[in-house]
Amino acid sequence: EMQLVESGGGVVQPGGSLRLSCAASASGLNFDDYSMHWVRQAPGKGLEWVSLITWDGGRAYYADSVKGRFTISRDNSKNSLYLQMHSLRADDSALYYCAKETGSGSHIDYWGQGTLVTVSS
Amino acid sequence: QSALTQPASVSGSPGQSITISCTGSSSDVGYYTYVSWYQQHPDKAPKLILYEVSNRPSGVSNRFSGSKSGDTASLTISGLQAEDEADYYCNSYTSSRTWVFGGGTKLTVL
Repeated sequence: EMQLVESGGGVVQPGGSLRLSCAASASGLNFDDYSMHWVRQAPGKGLEWVSLITWDGGRAYYADSVKGRFTISRDNSKNSLYLQMHSLRADDSALYYCAKETGSGSHIDYWGQGTLVTVSS
Repeated sequence: QSALTQPASVSGSPGQSITISCTGSSSDVGYYTYVSWYQQHPDKAPKLILYEVSNRPSGVSNRFSGSKSGDTASLTISGLQAEDEADYYCNSYTSSRTWVFGGGTKLTVL
């Protein structure tokens, strides 16, 4: 099982930047064996997939809504995942979840509890 | 990257069965078996209930089942219980090597 704890959320003005972190701890699992995702959920709304990074950080993929503004990265030596967010807009306000993909790559199996980002002046 | 289409809400009485559909396209649901379903209770993180269309993780009730036909996947919950009342989301891998969720379905147990 893997525990995921997000941090770094807060209130930021439109156009501002924020960096989210996700610390992973696992019993019997190696963080660097798995691709990792960020998924967000605006208040009262549904889940929206944001980004994915492969196990080695070699490839990253983004939703069109954040492409060019967000950058996903990881530090396997620290069992950590990051999301650097720039040019933030009001519609980026959401609870951001860190999530682990299975080894087969077929689905997300573990989720953190999320960190809240509010973009407001 | 349009969201997969789910009904906004479904309802059923205890003991009944309900089905939630999830419609995508030939670039996601229709092409891949990487379709999963998540249950989310209020103020909780999503929980995986089905993966690869119809597989249940350990610990998930066999009242939950899944199928797929063409571009549409379906989640069926049989023997509805009060604790099943929650939001349900489908998710699929896409040909763009991205992932997409459905808009979510609110299940009400009457």
